[in-house]
Amino acid sequence: EVHLLESGGALILPGGSLRLSCAASGFTFNNYAMHWVRQAPGKGLKWVSSINKSGDIAYYADSAKGRFTISRDTSKNMVYLQLNGLRDEDTGIYYCAKDLGSGQIGHWFDPRGQGTLVSVSS
Amino acid sequence: IVLTQSPATLSLSPGERATLSCRASQSVSSYLGWYQQKPGQSPRLLIYDASYRAAGIPARFSGSGSETDFTLTISSLEPEDSAIYYCQQRSNWPPLWTFGQGTKVEIK
Repeated sequence: EVHLLESGGALILPGGSLRLSCAASGFTFNNYAMHWVRQAPGKGLKWVSSINKSGDIAYYADSAKGRFTISRDTSKNMVYLQLNGLRDEDTGIYYCAKDLGSGQIGHWFDPRGQGTLVSVSS
Repeated sequence: IVLTQSPATLSLSPGERATLSCRASQSVSSYLGWYQQKPGQSPRLLIYDASYRAAGIPARFSGSGSETDFTLTISSLEPEDSAIYYCQQRSNWPPLWTFGQGTKVEIK
């Protein structure tokens, strides 16, 4: 069974940094692109970042460019999201999702974890 | 590409048919997906490529449409279908993913 376990969320001051982690199990990690999706409190879903299955191409929403970095470690079946220069508007639950298909980068998210909460506040 | 969902809220009784709409600001071909999110849970993929049900999704959920106009239909509502439903697309290149603002389905 596919399982994704996010961690690393915390209460952090504006301008601070965090590294979110996502531990993947139950599927062949190398075969899938991975994604991060955020949900602000009481709000809808917003895509943040994606990384292709090879791990050599990353994609970012405009709000994340220059501040966030996505990476993956095949040896550990882990995906990371480094958050720098955090702002109030980065607050929310961050969900890790595997891609539905097995291409380099696909269209659809398959989220299987409970997310990790990032709260940016002074 | 902006996705606009309607209505914002749908209040129906068990057994009724629910019809949710998603309109794209420009053509997305058939690259439109639907997600269900229940309170306190992560979203779940229901439909991809406009009309294909994801694994394990009940047959009462169906998707249709192409280009700019899409519909998610729940043929006969069950109490457990109470949730917020989001549509989503990915632009061709560079890949950028966007969601609609969601439709809340309430079961009377």
